[in-house]
Amino acid sequence: KQEVTQIPAALSVPEGENLVLNCSFTDSAIYNLQWFRQDPGKGLTSLLLIQSSQREQTSGRLNASLDKSSGRSTLYIAASQPGDSATYLCAPSDYKLSFGAGTTVTVRA
Amino acid sequence: DGGITQSPKYLFRKEGQNVTLSCEQNLNHDAMYWYRQDPGQGLRLIYYSQIVNDFQKGDIAEGYSVSREKKESFPLTVTSAQKNPTAFYLCASSVRDGTDTQYFGPGTRLTVL
Repeated sequence: KQEVTQIPAALSVPEGENLVLNCSFTDSAIYNLQWFRQDPGKGLTSLLLIQSSQREQTSGRLNASLDKSSGRSTLYIAASQPGDSATYLCAPSDYKLSFGAGTTVTVRA
Repeated sequence: DGGITQSPKYLFRKEGQNVTLSCEQNLNHDAMYWYRQDPGQGLRLIYYSQIVNDFQKGDIAEGYSVSREKKESFPLTVTSAQKNPTAFYLCASSVRDGTDTQYFGPGTRLTVL
């Protein structure tokens, strides 16, 4: 059974700092890995999807890396803004998604 | 306006009652999923369906039932057999295009009184 760990559980930074969110997973036989954003009381919004054959994926200020063999993925958010405050969830997939508990980010203005 | 809708947004039920949560999508996706989210925990898969009239149990199916009579709809029934049903329930769908990107609805918060 896939186990997903996200560190840290919570993070508070001043506006403008770069964010580094870590995700580790126990079973490296994955199909792809998705990063999601969740605002309080809301559904999930897909941010990035990395295929198992890829090493990284970028979208605007977001960059996600994947090291499948070591079971790690990292989400980088450059020049953070208060609007980036949310919970970020990592989900490796072997067709079915397995979720970590998330990292709750607060960006202070 | 394509997307996934879940209703109601908030649902209250008395102990011993069954309740059905609605999930509809107009994205023409083949696969649909139900997840449960508890505070401080990741999402856990309840049931999923890859095609109409077919569905499989996820990791925590006990006390839940589903149906998939139409491609657009995947309702979830929380039965009285579910011991701790108070949670946030999320529905998702995906197209089998090689990426299997999942798209989520806004969720239903169920509270048992």
